Amino acid sequence: AQSVTQPDIHITVSEGASLELRCNYSYGATPYLFWYVQSPGQGLQLLLKYFSGDTLVQGIKGFEAEFKRSQSSFNLRKPSVHWSDAAEYFCAVGAGGSYIPTFGRGTSLIVHP
Amino acid sequence: GAGVSQTPSNKVTEKGKYVELRCDPISGHTALYWYRQSLGQGPEFLIYFQGTGAADDSGLPNDRFFAVRPEGSVSTLKIQRTERGDSAVYLCASSLTRGDEQYFGPGTRLTVT
Repeated sequence: AQSVTQPDIHITVSEGASLELRCNYSYGATPYLFWYVQSPGQGLQLLLKYFSGDTLVQGIKGFEAEFKRSQSSFNLRKPSVHWSDAAEYFCAVGAGGSYIPTFGRGTSLIVHP
Repeated sequence: GAGVSQTPSNKVTEKGKYVELRCDPISGHTALYWYRQSLGQGPEFLIYFQGTGAADDSGLPNDRFFAVRPEGSVSTLKIQRTERGDSAVYLCASSLTRGDEQYFGPGTRLTVT
C-alpha cells in the first residue's frame, strides 16, 4: 500500500520569501502524485499533479513541484509567497491504475507580513 | 458553474443516533467520492461511486457506514449508531469520470457528543 509523509506540520515564511514544502512517498512503482491546498471554509483544490513525463510540474497560483524518483520525493515550491497562500497543503499519492489518492497529514503554511 | 455542495455544513448529534450527510456533485460528473478528515489529518478515502454503483467501498470503516447514489447524481452518506470517534469533517468530491480531476466540496463537520 502507498503512503505519504509530510515531515513539517507547520511552516512559517515571510511574505515575498521563497517556499518549499516537503513530501516523501512510499510506493513500489511509478506513482501518481498530487498537491492540494485547503483554505479555511473552502474545499480542497488541486494545485498540480504528476502522472508521467517531465519531472518538473507547473501548477496553478505560481506553484511547481519536482518528482525525484531517487529520493521518493515530490516537493512543492513557490519563488515568492503571498499572504493569500496561507493555508493547509496536502501531498497525495495514487497507485498506478487507481485515481483515489492517499493523503499526507498536511503542512500548515503561515505567512508573516 | 456550481461546484460540489454538501449539506448540512455542520451537524451535531448524540452518541447512538443516526445521521445522513448529503452531497450534490457537479452536474454531469459520473464519479463521486467520499472522504473523512479527522482533526490534524489528511482526508481518508471512504467510498467511490461510478454512476449509481459503489465501485470501491474499501475505505468504509465498518458496517455502520453506508452510502447510496440512487440516480447517479446526489449521494447520501449514512452513519448508524454514531460514536464519538465518528466526529470529523466528511468531504465529498466529484469528477467527470474516473481518473479526472476531483473537485471537492466544503465538507460537513460532524460532531458526536
